[in-house]
Parts: sequence; C-alpha cells; structure tokens
Amino acid sequence: GDSVTQMEGPVTLSEEAFLTINCTYTATGYPSLFWYVQYPGEGLQLLLKATKADDKGSNKGFEATYRKETTSFHLEKGSVQVSDSAVYFCALSDQGAQKLVFGQGTRLTINP
Amino acid sequence: GAVVSQHPSWVICKSGTSVKIECRSLDFQATTMFWYRQFPKQSLMLMATSNEGSKATYEQGVEKDKFLINHASLTLSTLTVTSAHPEDSSFYICSASPPVSLVEQFFGPGTRLTVL
Repeated sequence: GDSVTQMEGPVTLSEEAFLTINCTYTATGYPSLFWYVQYPGEGLQLLLKATKADDKGSNKGFEATYRKETTSFHLEKGSVQVSDSAVYFCALSDQGAQKLVFGQGTRLTINP
Repeated sequence: GAVVSQHPSWVICKSGTSVKIECRSLDFQATTMFWYRQFPKQSLMLMATSNEGSKATYEQGVEKDKFLINHASLTLSTLTVTSAHPEDSSFYICSASPPVSLVEQFFGPGTRLTVL
C-alpha cells in the first residue's frame, strides 16, 4: 500500500539556520503530495502542496519539489524563525481517492 | 474560509460511558469528512471516511460498532465512542473536503479524549 517516510525527529536548530526535512513516498499511482504543520495546541494546517511531478509548492518561505524520479518531497526553508517551531507532517493522496496517508511527523524546535 | 470546528475540544469520561464528538464545516459544504486518531508523538491514522447521507467506510482494524459515525448533513459529522475504555484515550481529529476539491482537506483542531 501507499506509505510516507519522514526523517526522524526531533530536529533542533538555531534561528536563521537552513532547514531540510526529508520525505519519501511509495505509491502505486500518481499521488498529490502535501506538507501539513501542527502548531502547539492547534489542528493541522496545510503548508504547501504539489499535484504533479516537478511542481514546486511554496508558502511562508517553505518550499518542496515533487521529485518523481526519487519519490521525494523534501521540505526546505532558507532561514527558520522561532515561530516555525511545530510538528511537520508529509502526506500523500492518490488521485481521486482523497484519503491522506501521513508520515510519522517531525518535531521542529527553533531556538533564539 | 474553509474553517472546520470540533466540539468539545477536550473531554474526560468514565470507563463504560459513551462520548460524542462533533465536527462542523463552518463556511463550506463538506460532502466528505474524515476521522483520524493521533497517538502521542505519532502520526495521524485514518479511522473512517464519512460521506453525507451514506454509511461510513471504516479502515481495516477499526471497530465500526465501537466508533459510530454519522454524517447527517453537509456541515456536520459526529463520532461516538461507545463504551469507552482507557485504551480509547487519544486525540481525535476530523477533516472535511469540499466537493470542488478532490485533493484538499481542512482539519479541525482536534478533541482530546481521556477515559478514566
């Protein structure tokens, strides 16, 4: 079945550091890919998405590129802020299926 | 737009009682709603998919008689945990998908259930 694997956390960085959170997937079809963020005490929010190969999703300084050849969708940000501290989930959805399959989540802590 | 609410945000109940959790889409009609369970420091596991006016589709391993789902209107789905036990303690999250989007879901803030 479909699956998503994220780099294990927790990840701790200093403010203004470069961030990469790795995400790879396994799917039988051509899935859409997502990054969701969960801030402390809040529900999941869609951070960015990409629906086909080579698409780049971006939002709030975060970027991720849909790489079909490496089945990856790594999340990057050039300069993180304390407010970026949260849990980040990579997810996929097979076309038309709507069901989301989540990775295990990566807890990110940014220190001032 | 695209706001999903859940009620209650937290609930504590005694073992053997039933608890109902509501999920509402506030500014759009949701033909499909999803219910997830999240264990501490773990990912979300899909429990069931709920389509308005029809029976929910449960994922493998989820007891449908224990986790009753009702999607009676385009803006409301409910999850009832029947005869709750301590092992049912968890964070329950719903999401809703508008009919115009095949791939996007909007998540509620979650409900923390603690069964004593």
